[in-house]
Amino acid sequence: QKEVEQDPGPLSVPEGAIVSLNCTYSNSAFQYFMWYRQYSRKGPELLMYTYSSGNKEDGRFTAQVDKSSKYISLFIRDSQPSDSATYLCAMIFYNQGGKLIFGQGTELSVKP
Amino acid sequence: DTGVSQNPRHKITKRGQNVTFRCDPISEHNRLYWYRQTLGQGPEFLTYFQNEAQLEKSRLLSDRFSAERPKGSFSTLEIQRTEQGDSAMYLCASSSGQHNEQFFGPGTRLTVL
Repeated sequence: QKEVEQDPGPLSVPEGAIVSLNCTYSNSAFQYFMWYRQYSRKGPELLMYTYSSGNKEDGRFTAQVDKSSKYISLFIRDSQPSDSATYLCAMIFYNQGGKLIFGQGTELSVKP
Repeated sequence: DTGVSQNPRHKITKRGQNVTFRCDPISEHNRLYWYRQTLGQGPEFLTYFQNEAQLEKSRLLSDRFSAERPKGSFSTLEIQRTEQGDSAMYLCASSSGQHNEQFFGPGTRLTVL
């Protein structure tokens, strides 16, 4: 079993839809949670960074962490074709030097 | 541009050749990471530097791989005697501060023929 599980998709939605992306993890020692967006053949771009359980909002993006269920989510409101990309969740065992443990990534396509 | 830069962006080599990649982190960042990403997968950790000290290496980093960060600035990743299985995107990230938000470069795409 992988430490971080993420549905690879692909996920296709119409423009304007609310998108929900999810990851589950197995180790409760993870302390920090991140979401990255990666366009084809580019490096990952940091979108959201959270520490505690609860919600964090930034524009059209909301990150949600539920440590009791070992479950994190990213919601995208009013999705745009420019949001079409692969979304990667990542987590840190901070006491291990801060290396990121990534999910497989979910490929999202937003259709005009 | 003050982001993380990587060179070259693409490298095609023949099996058995040596290759070297360079990463220039964000200037004030003291931590530097190397990851490898294959198609359809998330990045996998390879190694980590704090300043010039290499503090952790993954078991993925076989003895054919070596990384350096002289003077705690740029870093190089060398692969000796490349194999077809080394074909991947090699990503560099840098960070600083308590929360260790890691910012990635554009990656070097390696193809071993």
